[in-house]
Amino acid sequence: DQQVKQNSPSLSVQEGRISILNCDYTNSMFDYFLWYKKYPAEGPTFLISISSIKDKNEDGRFTVFLNKSAKHLSLHIVPSQPGDSAVYFCAASSGNTPLVFGKGTRLSVIA
Amino acid sequence: ETGVTQSPTHLIKTRGQQVTLRCSSQSGHNTVSWYQQALGQGPQFIFQYYREEENGRGNFPPRFSGLQFPNYSSELNVNALELDDSALYLCASSPEPLDEQFFGPGTRLTVL
Repeated sequence: DQQVKQNSPSLSVQEGRISILNCDYTNSMFDYFLWYKKYPAEGPTFLISISSIKDKNEDGRFTVFLNKSAKHLSLHIVPSQPGDSAVYFCAASSGNTPLVFGKGTRLSVIA
Repeated sequence: ETGVTQSPTHLIKTRGQQVTLRCSSQSGHNTVSWYQQALGQGPQFIFQYYREEENGRGNFPPRFSGLQFPNYSSELNVNALELDDSALYLCASSPEPLDEQFFGPGTRLTVL
């Protein structure tokens, strides 16, 4: 049973436009959510996180929105750049439990 | 500051063999977590080591075992390899168990 779901395996966006990556979760105990970015031949790198006490967290071009009632979060990248092309993983945890990752979404930003 | 390193980069084994993967944690980090990322999947937690003791384990059979050394580097051992063990194995270190994790580049294991 997948507790963290990223239903879009891939997404293509024009450079300069907004990229929106979505993530749904089923475990209502999750209280901390993270996004990781992964380039080929590299490990995932932390991008941005949000605690369940917030509904939005912003860091430069990256914003994460959390809708607890819908058990849904999204990552917005504005404006998208070619260097943003990577696989993005959504992850969640509760208390001291290990991270649970989604399957990832491959973002391609087209110049 | 050196990041997380893993060795080897790639490895090919046959079914039934045993394998050891290695991870050097980032300086100052006493916690190492191991993940398995199968093709088309996200990383799946195997176990975590904190100050040389296992500090949590995911849903993996006992043939997956680990060690953490006094310098906080770590090994992942897999016995009786199966075809489904083919995956990218990621190691992540953190200053403490609940802190942000820094991932290594992974070891890609192929079991034939």
